[in-house]
Amino acid sequence: GAVVSQHPSRVICKSGTSVKIECRSLDFQATTMFWYRQFPKQSLMLMATSNEGSKATYEQGVEKDKFLINHASLTLSTLTVTSAHPEDSSFYICSARQGNLANQPQHFGDGTRLSIL
Amino acid sequence: GDSVTQMEGPVTLSEEAFLTINCTYTATGYPSLFWYVQYPGEGLQLLLKATKADDKGSNKGFEATYRKETTSFHLEKGSVQVSDSAVYFCALSGIDNFNKFYFGSGTKLNVKP
Repeated sequence: GAVVSQHPSRVICKSGTSVKIECRSLDFQATTMFWYRQFPKQSLMLMATSNEGSKATYEQGVEKDKFLINHASLTLSTLTVTSAHPEDSSFYICSARQGNLANQPQHFGDGTRLSIL
Repeated sequence: GDSVTQMEGPVTLSEEAFLTINCTYTATGYPSLFWYVQYPGEGLQLLLKATKADDKGSNKGFEATYRKETTSFHLEKGSVQVSDSAVYFCALSGIDNFNKFYFGSGTKLNVKP
């Protein structure tokens, strides 16, 4: 149980392209979803927290207009990297949690490797 | 604020050796604590968790005990295998609005046959 599917797993595209990444909870309803960015050999950096039906809460330093997050249903959140540039190349990981209690784990997708040429 | 400190890696062990990866935390209140494992090119998988003081989480031969007095949650395994080679992350779930996770920097484990 508690499977999170992230798609696509890898994207290679030209500078200036907008890229959408989907995160789906397959067997549970996710009240809250999180989007992380991970640089090589580093820990996860939380970008934003999204609750279904409301605006995402972005961490300090993360551009809202650059990284658009939509959490339209209890099983789907999307991250759109708008007008991507080489510095946006990274490994993006989503996670989902069934509720908002502190003792509930986050369940992670397999990540999306984004490469901007 | 809340934070997690993990021992730096990489940690290199021979197969069947004993493993300890140290994790200490700083938090207000009583957070929940987790260990995640990340294999190359993949997302994170929940390994084990503990939600209150003195709880012991265990899974696949790994164990960690929530020590309130030392604010620690060290990961241990009695006999590691080559397949355990991965990056291990310690995390705590804060008690803020969304119960965000705070991750340690990760510890890479290399197990040699």
